[in-house]
Amino acid sequence: KQEVTQIPAALSVPEGENLVLNCSFTDSAIYNLQWFRQDPGKGLTSLLLIQSSQREQTSGRLNASLDKSSGRSTLYIAASQPGDSATYLCAVMTTDSWGKLQFGAGTQVVVTP
Amino acid sequence: DTGVSQDPRHKITKRGQNVTFRCDPISEHNRLYWYRQTLGQGPEFLTYFQNEAQLEKSRLLSDRFSAERPKGSFSTLEIQRTEQGDSAMYLCASSLDGGGKETQYFGPGTRLLVL
Repeated sequence: KQEVTQIPAALSVPEGENLVLNCSFTDSAIYNLQWFRQDPGKGLTSLLLIQSSQREQTSGRLNASLDKSSGRSTLYIAASQPGDSATYLCAVMTTDSWGKLQFGAGTQVVVTP
Repeated sequence: DTGVSQDPRHKITKRGQNVTFRCDPISEHNRLYWYRQTLGQGPEFLTYFQNEAQLEKSRLLSDRFSAERPKGSFSTLEIQRTEQGDSAMYLCASSLDGGGKETQYFGPGTRLLVL
């Protein structure tokens, strides 16, 4: 049974610092891994999707890496801004359950001015 | 706006009542998903459709829950005889089938409170 863990549960950094968010999963048989952002009381916004065959994806200040063999992904956000304050969730799609995303509980990030 | 939409955004009901939520996916997307999210947790998968066919249901989806996608476009999720434990955010997502390479796009959610 796939389990997805995100540590730490919460993180506070001053503006301008780089953010490093971690995601680990127990079953390496995945199709892809997605990172999402969720603002309080809102739905999810997709940030990056990494295919199982890829090592990383980049979009602007965001970079996500994937090490399938060790069951880890890391989301880097460069030069954080107060607008980056949100909860960040990772989710995996495993090969035995095509279509279904399994989520971690998220890391709540606060960027202080 | 061509994103995923959900209606209503908020619903307060009394225990024992039935509620129905609607999801309108992005128009060309053939896959539609329902998830449930409780406070402090990530979303949990409930069910998904490919066109009008319901392909998978979670064990979380008790007999009181039913979902439909009658014409392969919008979907409804009905909860009968609501219980306080049903209080949660119900999220809908859609995607275009891409053999596991597709991004799921989420709607704003329907927040349910059962009193």
